[in-house]
Amino acid sequence: AQTVTQSQPEMSVQEAETVTLSCTYDTSESDYYLFWYKQPPSRQMILVIRQEAYKQQNATENRFSVNFQKAAKSFSLKISDSQLGDAAMYFCACRVGATNKLIFGTGTLLAVQP
Amino acid sequence: NAGVTQTPKFQVLKTGQSMTLQCAQDMNHEYMSWYRQDPGMGLRLIHYSVGAGITDQGEVPNGYNVSRSTTEDFPLRLLSAAPSQTSVYFCASSYRRGGGETQYFGPGTRLLVL
Repeated sequence: AQTVTQSQPEMSVQEAETVTLSCTYDTSESDYYLFWYKQPPSRQMILVIRQEAYKQQNATENRFSVNFQKAAKSFSLKISDSQLGDAAMYFCACRVGATNKLIFGTGTLLAVQP
Repeated sequence: NAGVTQTPKFQVLKTGQSMTLQCAQDMNHEYMSWYRQDPGMGLRLIHYSVGAGITDQGEVPNGYNVSRSTTEDFPLRLLSAAPSQTSVYFCASSYRRGGGETQYFGPGTRLLVL
């Protein structure tokens, strides 16, 4: 069975600073994918970034990047130059290729201070 | 494309009542799923479907039924609502090609069971 753990219930960052959100996962499958989703107060789930497990290169999307440590089963999200609009709940998720099931962590609530 | 739509947006039920949460997508996605979101629990998978006529259970299936008669629609039925089913429900869809396909989420249905 897959599990995803986010150990930081809340985080805070100053505007324009950098923050890193932690995530660890566990799966016995070799074919899996990792995602970070953002959920603002509107509750809409928005994909931030995704990582294929077979790729060694860390994914980046503008100000968002990941640190994927496969051996440690760690998948952290780094947000650079934080903006007020980044304030939201962030969910880490793992999807195994064989089942297509997407399993989420419990989320990290990010506050951005002006 | 309208994407993933959910109705209703908000519903109040009394214990023991039944209702159906509607979900539809117009992207010709084979894979559809239902999640519930509770405070401190993240999103948990209820049921999912890999194509018309095929459904399977997720992490928390008890108290919910699903069917998939068409590619577009994936309704979630509560046969006898309980206060423990008070939650926000999200429907999601994606192509089935592999686990890396991005899931697109609907706006959510907030359900209150008294």
